[in-house]
Amino acid sequence: KAGVTQTPRYLIKTRGQQVTLSCSPISGHRSVSWYQQTPGQGLQFLFEYFSETQRNKGNFPGRFSGRQFSNSRSEMNVSTLELGDSALYLCASSLVLRSTGELFFGEGSRLTVL
Amino acid sequence: TQLLEQSPQFLSIQEGENLTVYCNSSSVFSSLQWYRQEPGEGPVLLVTVVTGGEVKKLKRLTFQFGDARKDSSLHITAAQPGDTGLYLCAGDPAGGTSYGKLTFGQGTILTVHP
Repeated sequence: KAGVTQTPRYLIKTRGQQVTLSCSPISGHRSVSWYQQTPGQGLQFLFEYFSETQRNKGNFPGRFSGRQFSNSRSEMNVSTLELGDSALYLCASSLVLRSTGELFFGEGSRLTVL
Repeated sequence: TQLLEQSPQFLSIQEGENLTVYCNSSSVFSSLQWYRQEPGEGPVLLVTVVTGGEVKKLKRLTFQFGDARKDSSLHITAAQPGDTGLYLCAGDPAGGTSYGKLTFGQGTILTVHP
């Protein structure tokens, strides 16, 4: 069973540019969440999608956006990049089971903003 | 906002020693997960605890969920260099409706020296 796949794994951008990250969840998983991980803040929730609808959003500015497609694949976009956006962006998928809330993470996309 | 405080932040021990990592909150969680993350990788789920007072064992790792479901601990017996990594606790808020939005602790960086 294939795991969560994130692309690209590494990318370097400059301030002001925009970036799109992609995530393919585990087959059968319909919920996709995105997290930002930095040394200072740890893992912080960005947003969550289920059935192409954003169901939850974290405390990030509007420059951060995302979407989910009918095949459950998801993308997130960051516009007008700032130095502070440098981070590991993690995508996680989960089954729609209320009882456990278990997440299965991808390896992440490491974004460096220069 | 529900917070999870994890301690200690850093732990450096010799092979064969025992250790305990704590995860505390003033909020109740319907479940709590422990993840382990290695550099350049995404977090990998170790265990989920659901019932207050629950104890789960995974080889040399023992996980406990507090009776009030506000805290948890991870105990490692006879640590090995392969246990080195970032340990994260994550809670699923009680009464929530989201399957993907977990609250993460800041993490404990464990280094086990041979």
